[in-house]
Amino acid sequence: AQSVSQHNHHVILSEAASLELGCNYSYGGTVNLFWYVQYPGQHLQLLLKYFSGDPLVKGIKGFEAEFIKSKFSFNLRKPSVQWSDTAEYFCAVTRPGGYNKLIFGAGTRLAVHP
Amino acid sequence: DGGITQSPKYLFRKEGQNVTLSCEQNLNHDAMYWYRQDPGQGLRLIYYSQIVNDFQKGDIAEGYSVSREKKESFPLTVTSAQKNPTAFYLCASSIGWRTDTQYFGPGTRLTVL
Repeated sequence: AQSVSQHNHHVILSEAASLELGCNYSYGGTVNLFWYVQYPGQHLQLLLKYFSGDPLVKGIKGFEAEFIKSKFSFNLRKPSVQWSDTAEYFCAVTRPGGYNKLIFGAGTRLAVHP
Repeated sequence: DGGITQSPKYLFRKEGQNVTLSCEQNLNHDAMYWYRQDPGQGLRLIYYSQIVNDFQKGDIAEGYSVSREKKESFPLTVTSAQKNPTAFYLCASSIGWRTDTQYFGPGTRLTVL
């Protein structure tokens, strides 16, 4: 079955700590990759996406993600988190060529303490 | 402002009643989607529509129905046949139906009592 795995369900960090959230997918072939974020009480927002080209993708608010095809991974990173990064983060995948179905991971809840 | 609106934000219904969730977009997007979000499970696709007057079942369509009579509107009906309807429902849209980024509305939290 097609799936997206996010390894950490809950992450707790102090401000200024570095962040890395893992995401692995189970498809072979070409994929489009996304990270979405859901801040408390707000819409699900696009953080960054990868369709092709440079595998290191930079998104909003200082986030970046690296696509490693050989590892089927698309990990999200931020060098120094802030309290305002407290949110739930979702990795998602679509397969180009078919209909635009997003397959989501289960999400990672990040809590950043001041 | 361009965007996706969903109403109401919170909805309470008695068991056995059908309920319709609204989703409207003014982005001129062709494709629209309904997802269900449950704690610890991410989002799962209920229905999608590539274009007006067309829609397809997603992964968990049982107990749900949709219509797409207008480009900007994609209402979802949760029927009494849905065995576990209490959830957070998210509507999304994209420019096209192939590989475009999906943008999400604020969601409707449905509680069935």
